[in-house]
Amino acid sequence: AQRVTQPEKLLSVFKGAPVELKCNYSYSGSPELFWYVQYSRQRLQLLLRHISRESIKGFTADLNKGETSFHLKKPFAQEEDSAMYYCALSPQGAQKLVFGQGTRLTINP
Amino acid sequence: KAGVTQTPRYLIKTRGQQVTLSCSPISGHRSVSWYQQTPGQGLQFLFEYFSETQRNKGNFPGRFSGRQFSNSRSEMNVSTLELGDSALYLCASTPGGADTQYFGPGTRLTVL
Repeated sequence: AQRVTQPEKLLSVFKGAPVELKCNYSYSGSPELFWYVQYSRQRLQLLLRHISRESIKGFTADLNKGETSFHLKKPFAQEEDSAMYYCALSPQGAQKLVFGQGTRLTINP
Repeated sequence: KAGVTQTPRYLIKTRGQQVTLSCSPISGHRSVSWYQQTPGQGLQFLFEYFSETQRNKGNFPGRFSGRQFSNSRSEMNVSTLELGDSALYLCASTPGGADTQYFGPGTRLTVL
């Protein structure tokens, strides 16, 4: 079965504090993993994908195959990071995304 | 390039009716995927079309169907609407391989 779990529905941190959004997945093969973000009144957009190993807007995510996790991290949160964050996996060879339930991140001033 | 567009943006229907939603992908993109977003179930994959052929299908009843035209535009149809079909329907396009999906703004369907 293919499943993505984001254990936190809501996460609130203060500006300047570190942020970690958790994501665990279940998939028997080698999935491709993504983080998508939806800012207020904007469409869903890609934040980062694990194969590119990029850091976008200060966010990074490391794939841990042993723990089947893909947690999203940022060392110093900014107010503009407030948004809904979705972790997703794409099964090998399939053009589809399996999403987690999402985490609403709020950065307090 | 213009982004993914979806029409209409809002739709109100009654139970038992059918509805057709439209999605125009980014120019040059040949794959279109559809997702249903509800508060209870979150984002769920419906189906994916590439070059007018359905390549992947999610776990939705046969009332949900789709098609893709030669210009890559896609439509999805829901027949015999139920209250539970009320949702935001998103489409996404990619050039065709295992690429980043670019999402449209969605169509908000309300079934009364």
